[in-house]
This record gives sequence, C-alpha cells and structure tokens, in this order.
Amino acid sequence: DTGVSQDPRHKITKRGQNVTFRCDPISEHNRLYWYRQTLGQGPEFLTYFQNEAQLEKSRLLSDRFSAERPKGSFSTLEIQRTEQGDSAMYLCASSLRRTYEQYFGPGTRLTVT
Amino acid sequence: AQKITQTQPGMFVQEKEAVTLDCTYDTSDQSYGLFWYKQPSSGEMIFLIYQGSYDEQNATEGRYSLNFQKARKSANLVISASQLGDSAMYFCAMREGPGAGGTSYGKLTFGQGTILTVHP
Repeated sequence: DTGVSQDPRHKITKRGQNVTFRCDPISEHNRLYWYRQTLGQGPEFLTYFQNEAQLEKSRLLSDRFSAERPKGSFSTLEIQRTEQGDSAMYLCASSLRRTYEQYFGPGTRLTVT
Repeated sequence: AQKITQTQPGMFVQEKEAVTLDCTYDTSDQSYGLFWYKQPSSGEMIFLIYQGSYDEQNATEGRYSLNFQKARKSANLVISASQLGDSAMYFCAMREGPGAGGTSYGKLTFGQGTILTVHP
C-alpha cells in the first residue's frame, strides 16, 4: 500500500497526558499537512511542512501542540497536557504540488477522558 | 478570509438517480482551486474531483461532475447514477490562492459537509 498511513488509528488518553501521532506520507510527496476534525465538522488546517521545514501554523495550534518532520519524511504531531477539547480526529495529508490534490491518511481518533 | 458553505446537512437519493450537492464559496483571490472529498464512515477522506478557478470547462471524473459557476461562486457536485456505496459525508473544500502577500502553501478550507444517503 503506497498511500498515506497514520499511527495509531485510535488513542484514548487521560486528561493531562501527552500523546504523539505519526504520519507517513506518500513517498515522493514533499508537502505534508495536518488537519483536525471534530464531530460533525469539516477538517480544519493545523500546520504545513514542505520537506522538513514547518512553513505555516494555524492559530488552532496552541503552544501545547508541536509538530516535526525530521529529514522531510514522516511527521509527528505531539499534544502535551491533553484537554478534553483536544478530542478529535487528526488527519494527515500529503501532496506533490501546491495545486495538486491532497491525499489523506485514515486519521488518528483521539479521545481524552 | 476563505469560506465554504454547504447548506444541505443531509440529502437523500434513490439508487440509480442523480443528486446535486451544493457548495458556495467566498474568496477575494483570483486564483484558487475547488475540491470535493468523500468521507465514508471509516473516516478516510477520498478525493473525488478538482476544479481550478481558471478552468473554462466543468470538471468530470466518471460519475462525478462539478457544476462550476464562477460568477455565482458556486461549485456544486453532481453524482449521476447513485450507488449504495455513495452513502457518505461529502465535503467541498477550497485551496487558497497566493493572495496579496504572494505566498500560498495550499492548505484547504472545508465546508461543514453534507451527509448523502442512497436508498435502494
């Protein structure tokens, strides 16, 4: 399978714990995006990487959130001191060009109890 | 600021019939792109069709076509010959243009979605 993969698919954590999600984009795609989707809503943009450089961050990305893409391959999204409001589906997408379609992974569903 | 509006929370269609899902957008950019994605209950976003703002012809991909009316700022999705497997959430999305600052990284702004149910 050469699509975008995400791990884990589901994560249940207690409030205050730290969590980390991983995204593996399509191998030749240098552009990687993270989105967050809450129940009944469309995805909202969180952050963008071009190769290893994080070039854009949304105001949704509070200081408890950090993302990396070492060596321009896989990316990680970490949430520190999780809150119940962080419960959502976290989607990763990759693209070859700015104007091309973005291919999404299956998402990581986070539940904070 | 970019905005996408999908006014139909839910739509129902009989199998083999055609259905139109509405999408209107708001942008001050001249160059932008419009996308439709399908999200089944499994959660994965599946790309369906793309229309560029400078494309003169409406995009088509198999049973999907995009009715692009630039002056009205609408980009409706038409699904012909609906199938049971088409039952899903459908999202309209817009990729921003460079804007006045001249920089655009291609992030997508999504509407709230329309749940389509296909009846046998």
